[in-house]
Amino acid sequence: NAGVTQTPKFQVLKTGQSMTLQCAQDMNHNSMYWYRQDPGMGLRLIYYSASEGTTDKGEVPNGYNVSRLNKREFSLRLESAAPSQTSVYFCASNEIRAAAYEQYFGPGTRLTVT
Amino acid sequence: AQTVTQSQPEMSVQEAETVTLSCTYDTSENNYYLFWYKQPPSRQMILVIRQEAYKQQNATENRFSVNFQKAAKSFSLKISDSQLGDTAMYFCAFMKSNNNDMRFGAGTRLTVKP
Repeated sequence: NAGVTQTPKFQVLKTGQSMTLQCAQDMNHNSMYWYRQDPGMGLRLIYYSASEGTTDKGEVPNGYNVSRLNKREFSLRLESAAPSQTSVYFCASNEIRAAAYEQYFGPGTRLTVT
Repeated sequence: AQTVTQSQPEMSVQEAETVTLSCTYDTSENNYYLFWYKQPPSRQMILVIRQEAYKQQNATENRFSVNFQKAAKSFSLKISDSQLGDTAMYFCAFMKSNNNDMRFGAGTRLTVKP
């Protein structure tokens, strides 16, 4: 049982390049999330998917797109990377109908845009 | 929108002593969940403790306990018998009931000194 996995762990992009961050969970959770973490600002929600086939914007969606490929996988795409998108990206999942509600996090992806 | 405030950017404590981390939040909701997450240098986000707002009893998990004051919108974390492995960033988080939008505070960096 791997929990939440993310690839890659590290990535360096040049301004204007595109890339997709991959996330998968094996806990059969309905809901999945993408966050970014910047120094001094905690985690901020980019997009989430409450269930397979649905996606919604979070607090900071501009410059990103997401795809809920199936129940297990939720990808985050940067179409034209900008230096302001330099950050650590976390994927998470949970089951909001469960009593616990807590989110389980992946190990993160450190992205640098030069 | 809900906001979460952690007013202590950094704290330190001697090994075996007790430390309390502060968190306040702003919401008009009556049903919600509160969490403390730990992020060690490995960057992995680990759930420490959670509290359901409808429960008056404060949650405890071994050396970790909370002081939940619903009227004051305060949710502090007490770590007893601090250990070197408790050194980490600690994030307070808020989530409305039946909602996917989790909001995090900016974090408190805790250092446990030998």
